Amino acid sequence: DIQMTQSPSSLSASVGDRVTITCRASQGIRNDLGWYQQKPGKAPKRLIYAASSLQSGVPSRFSGSGSGTEFTLTISSLQPEDFATYYCLQHNSSPRTFGQGTKVEIK
Amino acid sequence: EVQLVESGGGLVNPGGSLRLSCAASGFTFSNAWMTWVRQAPGKGLEWVGRIKSKTDGGTTEYAAPVKGRFTISREDSKNTLYLEINSLKSEDTGVYYCTTGLGSSSNYWGQGTLVTVSS
Repeated sequence: DIQMTQSPSSLSASVGDRVTITCRASQGIRNDLGWYQQKPGKAPKRLIYAASSLQSGVPSRFSGSGSGTEFTLTISSLQPEDFATYYCLQHNSSPRTFGQGTKVEIK
Repeated sequence: EVQLVESGGGLVNPGGSLRLSCAASGFTFSNAWMTWVRQAPGKGLEWVGRIKSKTDGGTTEYAAPVKGRFTISREDSKNTLYLEINSLKSEDTGVYYCTTGLGSSSNYWGQGTLVTVSS
């Protein structure tokens, strides 16, 4: 099984900050990775697919990069509505696996 | 508009069984690969399993913790996905989501249904 190691597990940031979250795959997954945002009590919402493609309707302050084993989600200027938990998910092989999640909190 | 609506959750005794449903609309369900994801209270997301479209073989795959106890099936005539859960354990407690399009440019999720395993 492919393990996805996501870091950090949590972070505190202020509105306007640049935030970076990383996922490392235990083996190469090409660009078969998505990034998801989840707010309390809500279903996940995908922000990025194919590692770097912005989902339709998602603000351009979100961006993804990486290929192979190292991936990054960047929020260029954190907004109040971005405080949430973020997950990566690899769909290169089964079982699909999520990262452990990164909780972004208000500083 | 794409909609996925899960149902069938509830309180179940350990060792019991449950069948969850996911009613789909707004897209060609028969062509879609469908997935179940769950989330234990206060924990992260966990991929449960997937069923391919019948044209792609209709095969299923499961995560190790549920293999042999969970069965995913689909009824394309009713645009409905199912998750049969047997031999329920306390660690199966959580919200169960159906989703589609994990590997495509469009991705949709239901609102989830809560399963609580407790005596």
